[in-house]
Amino acid sequence: DVKVTQSSRYLVKRTGEKVFLECVQDMDHENMFWYRQDPGLGLRLIYFSYDVKMKEKGDIPEGYSVSREKKERFSLILESASTNQTSMYLCASNQGPGMNTEAFFGQGTRLTVV
Amino acid sequence: QQQVKQSPQSLIVQKGGISIINCAYENTAFDYFPWYQQFPGKGPALLIAIRPDVSEKKEGRFTISFNKSAKQFSLHIMDSQPGDSATYFCAASHSGNTPLVFGKGTRLSVIA
Repeated sequence: DVKVTQSSRYLVKRTGEKVFLECVQDMDHENMFWYRQDPGLGLRLIYFSYDVKMKEKGDIPEGYSVSREKKERFSLILESASTNQTSMYLCASNQGPGMNTEAFFGQGTRLTVV
Repeated sequence: QQQVKQSPQSLIVQKGGISIINCAYENTAFDYFPWYQQFPGKGPALLIAIRPDVSEKKEGRFTISFNKSAKQFSLHIMDSQPGDSATYFCAASHSGNTPLVFGKGTRLSVIA
């Protein structure tokens, strides 16, 4: 059974903290993605990566960075958490080359910044 | 700029009825159109997908209709069941390194 695993289901962090969200996939996929999901706004792409050590900005990269040191792991970093980053964060992966194949999602991390 | 527009935002359907969700896209380079289903507390999961070489694809009670000239595609759920109650997202992408673009989602409630 294919799997995308996010390290935490729920996180509560304080404003200004550096936050790490981890994602691991076991499908040997080239592509990995970080989305955030907010009511009424759907899924918005933060960053994606199509190869190890490669990263590309999505639609809303401000305040975030990513790291992909190994093919199976893609980390999202909130450099200095703010309350407007309270959201559901979803990691996904799919098989390359290209992006038009089935994407598999993790269960999400609900982050609350207080 | 929203590249995929989805409607309605929410939908209530009687059990046994037909649920219809519509999406429109702008980028004519898109060549992959999936629908994702998301239950509360879960990540989205692929429900059904279509490529523009066909106008319709059916899998069980779920059908995608695709109109290339109008740049629209829709999801039809026949004989809707309470277990279909979920949020549905349409999406689009194309070959090359352009990720999926999602619609804003439709919350479907099927009532008995």
